[in-house]
Amino acid sequence: EPEVTQTPSHQVTQMGQEVILRCVPISNHLYFYWYRQILGQKVEFLVSFYNNEISEKSEIFDDQFSVERPDGSNFTLKIRSTKLEDSAMYFCASSVEAGRSPLHFGNGTRLTVT
Amino acid sequence: KNEVEQSPQNLTAQEGEFITINCSYSVGISALHWLQQHPGGGIVSLFMLSSGKKKHGRLIATINIQEKHSSLHITASHPRDSAVYICAVRSKAYGQNFVFGPGTRLSVLP
Repeated sequence: EPEVTQTPSHQVTQMGQEVILRCVPISNHLYFYWYRQILGQKVEFLVSFYNNEISEKSEIFDDQFSVERPDGSNFTLKIRSTKLEDSAMYFCASSVEAGRSPLHFGNGTRLTVT
Repeated sequence: KNEVEQSPQNLTAQEGEFITINCSYSVGISALHWLQQHPGGGIVSLFMLSSGKKKHGRLIATINIQEKHSSLHITASHPRDSAVYICAVRSKAYGQNFVFGPGTRLSVLP
């Protein structure tokens, strides 16, 4: 069964550094998402992406964050200048349609900012 | 107040028991997702439903749109069912994106 893959599985970075989290969505999916889960808390929506542009973003997704689909397969989340509070598990997800089909999640990237 | 609430927060069961996890929400929704989060952190979709009932193996999900409530049932529970079960809802009130509940941590003892 096709899967959403995320790399790396764990990233440690120093405060102020830029990080790029990578995702390869399922190939026939058209909608892509990033979610965040701070340790011990609920999953939170960051951003949705369709047709090569952001369709919605949350208050969390400020100017430090950006997303890109640089080629036909990868979907990246960049954090420009990491803060301690960015430490979390970041999940990529994709779906065939927005809201009518289930989300398929990757295994997540655990980001630790020191 | 959380947009999506789940109960119980934690649940410990003996192998073989019938388990029910509840989800309630406060606005009209277009879809509800039940998800399973493994101890390692990965998230798997179990069900997506907007009405009625769905069954897959030992798992059953029901939704009552009028009461704004959904339940996830596990029959003949097994230790491998131990995980966090998360309910998420999609609504125009939340910008058409899924809003997640806090999860129910289930431990099934052998």
